[in-house]
Amino acid sequence: KAGVTQTPRYLIKTRGQQVTLSCSPISGHRSVSWYQQTPGQGLQFLFEYFSETQRNKGNFPGRFSGRQFSNSRSEMNVSTLELGDSALYLCASSLSPAKETQYFGPGTRLLVL
Amino acid sequence: AQSVTQLDSQVPVFEEAPVELRCNYSSSVSVYLFWYVQYPNQGLQLLLKYLSGSTLVKGINGFEAEFNKSQTSFHLRKPSVHISDTAEYFCAVIPLTGGGNKLTFGTGTQLKVEL
Repeated sequence: KAGVTQTPRYLIKTRGQQVTLSCSPISGHRSVSWYQQTPGQGLQFLFEYFSETQRNKGNFPGRFSGRQFSNSRSEMNVSTLELGDSALYLCASSLSPAKETQYFGPGTRLLVL
Repeated sequence: AQSVTQLDSQVPVFEEAPVELRCNYSSSVSVYLFWYVQYPNQGLQLLLKYLSGSTLVKGINGFEAEFNKSQTSFHLRKPSVHISDTAEYFCAVIPLTGGGNKLTFGTGTQLKVEL
């Protein structure tokens, strides 16, 4: 069974631009969560989706948004990029939101110049 | 709210020596506990998890962890490490009630195995 896939793997943007990252969960998994990893703040929860609905959201500004499609694939969008948004963005999938084990993708490394 | 503390940011150890990576947590409700490993330029891989039952949990690659409720700890151990164990290790918790699937992570421990 294929694992969680994330595209693109690497991305370079400039301040003020916007970016969209994609995550395809493991087949049959319907819950997708997003995390941001930076050297300074570590791993921080962004949001969680299940059945196309956002169930949980972390403490990030409104510039960070996401959505989930009917096939469980998810996208996250960051508008008006800032230098501090440079990070590894990790997607995790699980069968359901019922405290299931989460399986992580390889991440998308975003560099904002 | 939950918090996770990994006191050791770096742990150097010689190959074939034993290692213990420490994890303490704080939570007003019961939690599930996890250890993940991250190799360079990769995502997180689940090593092991404690949901209930026996407090000694065995995971992949020869790792094990012991849940101690009174000390709110979940230390990770391996009796004999290999060069390939060099990676960053993260302890994480999820509350049993509320919080959805939100994992709260510690700051990570970089394990460096030397010859």
